[in-house]
Amino acid sequence: GDSVTQMEGPVTLSEEAFLTINCTYTATGYPSLFWYVQYPGEGLQLLLKATKADDKGSNKGFEATYRKETTSFHLEKGSVQVSDSAVYFCALRYNQGGKLIFGQGTELSVKP
Amino acid sequence: DAGVIQSPRHEVTEMGQEVTLRCKPISGHDYLFWYRQTMMRGLELLIYFNNNVPIDDSGMPEDRFSAKMPNASFSTLKIQPSEPRDSAVYFCASSLTGRGGQETQYFGPGTRLLVL
Repeated sequence: GDSVTQMEGPVTLSEEAFLTINCTYTATGYPSLFWYVQYPGEGLQLLLKATKADDKGSNKGFEATYRKETTSFHLEKGSVQVSDSAVYFCALRYNQGGKLIFGQGTELSVKP
Repeated sequence: DAGVIQSPRHEVTEMGQEVTLRCKPISGHDYLFWYRQTMMRGLELLIYFNNNVPIDDSGMPEDRFSAKMPNASFSTLKIQPSEPRDSAVYFCASSLTGRGGQETQYFGPGTRLLVL
């Protein structure tokens, strides 16, 4: 079945470090891909998305590129801040219907 | 817009009691989702509705769980009887049908349920 796999956390970085959180997916079709972020004590918020191969989603300094050939959607940020500390979820969804399939989440902790 | 509204935000109950979680989706949205989040199992989709009709309830763990959406602005998730293993954060989310995967799911703040 369709699934999303993320790198295990927690990921601990110093402020201004470069961030990569790996995400790969298994799907029978051509899904849309998403990154959601969950700050402590809150619900998930959409961070960025890409709907077709080679699309790059970006927001708040984060970016991810839909790579069909490697079935990946890795999240990157050039310089993280303490305020980026959160849990990040990669997800996929087919264009028809509304069901999102989430990865297990990766906790990011940024130290000053 | 007020966003997705969930109540209560916190619920502590004893095993065997009935628990009802409530959700008000964003006005005009036609999809509503119920998720459960635990440390062990991560984020799980329990059930979702389209235009108030349940589309996929394959994630509902067992008959103790039921969900309804009597109208476009209200949904409930009921657990009867509750058990300690039901302790989790329950999220409601809604979205509006868009073109070609453009729709975004908006999540509520969640209900933290503790069953003693």
